[in-house]
Amino acid sequence: DADVTQTPRNRITKTGKRIMLECSQTKGHDRMYWYRQDPGLGLRLIYYSFDVKDINKGEISDGYSVSRQAQAKFSLSLESAIPNQTALYFCATSEGNYGYTFGSGTRLTVV
Amino acid sequence: GENVEQHPSTLSVQEGDSAVIKCTYSDSASNYFPWYKQELGKRPQLIIDIRSNVGEKKDQRIAVTLNKTAKHFSLHITETQPEDSAVYFCAAAISNFGNEKLTFGTGTRLTIIP
Repeated sequence: DADVTQTPRNRITKTGKRIMLECSQTKGHDRMYWYRQDPGLGLRLIYYSFDVKDINKGEISDGYSVSRQAQAKFSLSLESAIPNQTALYFCATSEGNYGYTFGSGTRLTVV
Repeated sequence: GENVEQHPSTLSVQEGDSAVIKCTYSDSASNYFPWYKQELGKRPQLIIDIRSNVGEKKDQRIAVTLNKTAKHFSLHITETQPEDSAVYFCAAAISNFGNEKLTFGTGTRLTIIP
């Protein structure tokens, strides 16, 4: 599906660098989320937003920040990347009672 | 906050047999329990969900059961096929007028043996 698009798909960055992961959606959903996936740990919530003016921390927000630029756009930033932020990052959207739609993911490697 | 435990972490079953994955949750206020399937290299996709006002839901070969008293729910896949091989995640949330943030289990890697 191209309805939830994440960029970049893959990124290698150096420790200490600032990096932004972007998510855009054409579904018209108000609710957007950022999760990270690590082997054996499942999907853990970083930040979420129920509308453009609403930003909330998830269970693992330390070292991350977000920006909801519009209903359709939700960006995740790592201000100073560290190796243990190496993971697969997923953006997701939801509306009503229809579950989440995930993006294709961004594989981030911090060296 | 909510905590979701999922077992087993890996499961291998013969093609045609049934597979069962179990999850427990900690917050008795949770009322929405979806299951996601993630094929290799793909995004997680919703396969079935259940809300706390029902005890069981079926969709073809897939069923989910919920025991609110014990705070656990399970995914049942019958007549397994090779395309069922994937990682499955359970999740729980307090759903309030559609506002929900999911807490996921750690996943079960299901392998169907031909």
